[in-house]
Amino acid sequence: QITLKESGPTLVKPTQTLTLTCTFSGFSLSTSGVGVDWIRQPPGKALEWLAVISWNDEKRFSPSLKSRLSITKDTSKNQVLLTMTNMDPVDTATYYCARSPGYSRIDYWGQGTLVTVSS
Amino acid sequence: DIVMTQSPDSLAVSLGERATINCKSSQSVLYSSNNKNYLAWFQQKPGQPPKLLIYWASTRDSGVPDRFSGSGSETDFTLTISSLQAEDVAVYYCQQHYNFPLTFGQGTKVEI
Repeated sequence: QITLKESGPTLVKPTQTLTLTCTFSGFSLSTSGVGVDWIRQPPGKALEWLAVISWNDEKRFSPSLKSRLSITKDTSKNQVLLTMTNMDPVDTATYYCARSPGYSRIDYWGQGTLVTVSS
Repeated sequence: DIVMTQSPDSLAVSLGERATINCKSSQSVLYSSNNKNYLAWFQQKPGQPPKLLIYWASTRDSGVPDRFSGSGSETDFTLTISSLQAEDVAVYYCQQHYNFPLTFGQGTKVEI
């Protein structure tokens, strides 16, 4: 059974750095072709892809957010960390992590975690 | 970036009737090397994460009812719900994974 779960702060202040953790089970990030993506969704709005880290440590980012994002993996712990700097109220959203089984497609999603940016 | 545009933004369909959602990409998402369209459809119900329905434009994911079908190629795609059930009320998103950044449509809300 494949599961993913996001964790991290629910409230951050403007200009702070957000760090989210995706803890997964049922698959390995050492398997060729596999990746873990981060996607966010502001309240009532559409989905926005943020970043992916692949089995071979290849990383790709949304060009509009690239300067603010970093992504790392701990294969032994089955975790992926996303860091976003200089948070702003417009970054208020539910943040999801999801599995990519190959060819950059996405299948399984975590339940998401709502992050509110407010002073 | 590849822009994904869905139509309509919302639609109301009677129970048992057909629902059709269109998705247009700003460039082809068909890889000629494997003849696959890098296009997926997701269903999102309120308070839930998106659920994969269709990948490679027309392949139903495991456990997805056969009333859901996907079609199309290159830049024009369709998700069809052949006989709408109450549990199909949701927002539906198309998504391309042809290249980075991955992009989603704006969503189509399906109501009864």
